[in-house]
Amino acid sequence: EAQVTQNPRYLITVTGKKLTVTCSQNMNHEYMSWYRQDPGLGLRQIYYSMNVEVTDKGDVPEGYKVSRKEKRNFPLILESPSPNQTSLYFCASRGTASYEQYFGPGTRLTVT
Amino acid sequence: AQRVTQPEKLLSVFKGAPVELKCNYSYSGSPELFWYVQYSRQRLQLLLRHISRESIKGFTADLNKGETSFHLKKPFAQEEDSAMYYCALKEGGKLIFGQGTELSVKP
Repeated sequence: EAQVTQNPRYLITVTGKKLTVTCSQNMNHEYMSWYRQDPGLGLRQIYYSMNVEVTDKGDVPEGYKVSRKEKRNFPLILESPSPNQTSLYFCASRGTASYEQYFGPGTRLTVT
Repeated sequence: AQRVTQPEKLLSVFKGAPVELKCNYSYSGSPELFWYVQYSRQRLQLLLRHISRESIKGFTADLNKGETSFHLKKPFAQEEDSAMYYCALKEGGKLIFGQGTELSVKP
């Protein structure tokens, strides 16, 4: 089944404790992206990647890192999480020639 | 800056009533616009794109370049239409989303 998976789905952590949210897709898509969803602010793009080893900042990249060493994986790294990073995070992927973006199920992160 | 604006956070209608979810954009070029939907406890999924000019689940959206709008319409809302709706603008490899409108269809 073609899909985008994220792990973990739920995470509660404390300020300053490094964490990684994984994202994987099995559709051989070139393009992958991370968004955060906050009430009243909609979906805001954090980082995106056009292909392996090619990443770029989205609209709200501060406090986040990403890497794209393999085509299928695009982990989101929070080196020192803070409470303002409490949010619902979505990973998405798309083929270069495609217009449709496929989303993961979301990861709800709480930073205390 | 390219922007997408959805002026209504919440739209509440009764079953069978017409519904229109507003989307306005600013873009210096030929825009490529989409509507995505997120049903409760489900992931976001594409509803429709302006180029295809199709009707999905009874919804249609027409691109109006003069008014820079891409409003989503359905003549008779159903309870199962209750969801979060996002308008999105494609800019190169990026998708820029609006703030989202929550549609609530009451019985």
